[in-house]
Amino acid sequence: KAGVTQTPRYLIKTRGQQVTLSCSPISGHRSVSWYQQTPGQGLQFLFEYFSETQRNKGNFPGRFSGRQFSNSRSEMNVSTLELGDSALYLCASSFILRQGFRINEQFFGPGTRLTVL
Amino acid sequence: DQQVKQNSPSLSVQEGRISILNCDYTNSMFDYFLWYKKYPAEGPTFLISISSIKDKNEDGRFTVFLNKSAKHLSLHIVPSQPGDSAVYFCAASVGTGANSKLTFGKGITLSVRP
Repeated sequence: KAGVTQTPRYLIKTRGQQVTLSCSPISGHRSVSWYQQTPGQGLQFLFEYFSETQRNKGNFPGRFSGRQFSNSRSEMNVSTLELGDSALYLCASSFILRQGFRINEQFFGPGTRLTVL
Repeated sequence: DQQVKQNSPSLSVQEGRISILNCDYTNSMFDYFLWYKKYPAEGPTFLISISSIKDKNEDGRFTVFLNKSAKHLSLHIVPSQPGDSAVYFCAASVGTGANSKLTFGKGITLSVRP
């Protein structure tokens, strides 16, 4: 079974631009979460999507948005990029049982390294 | 406010010895805890978890201990191997329901010397 894939792996943008990152979850996983990893803050939760609906949201400004498609693939968008947005953006998928309980762990993709100049 | 704290940014141990990675949390509602391992250029991978109804969970060389009264958990790796060198993240959640979300610490870089 293929793992979580993220594209692109590396991205360089300049301040003020916008960027879209893509994530394809493991087949059968309908929950997709996004995280930002920086050396100073570790892994910070951005948001989670399930069945095309945002279900959880972290404490990030509205410049960070996302969506999920009917095939569970998800995109994350950052508008008006700032230098501080330079980070590794990780996507994770998990399997939600019909009863609504989550399998213990989330499965992470390799991440997209975004550099803002 | 950091609800999950990994106060030591790095740890270096000799191969064959025990590695003890610590994690503290402030939110008393957390009742499920996980450890993830991350190699460079890869995403984190799940290592081991523990529910608050237990105080210990063991999986091979990895054991996680939970002290609820102290709001403290630790990951023990015995014996440590050079391949264990990685960044280790502690994470916590309130429940494991579909609406639960993981809160991560900043990570600890473990170096195992041959």
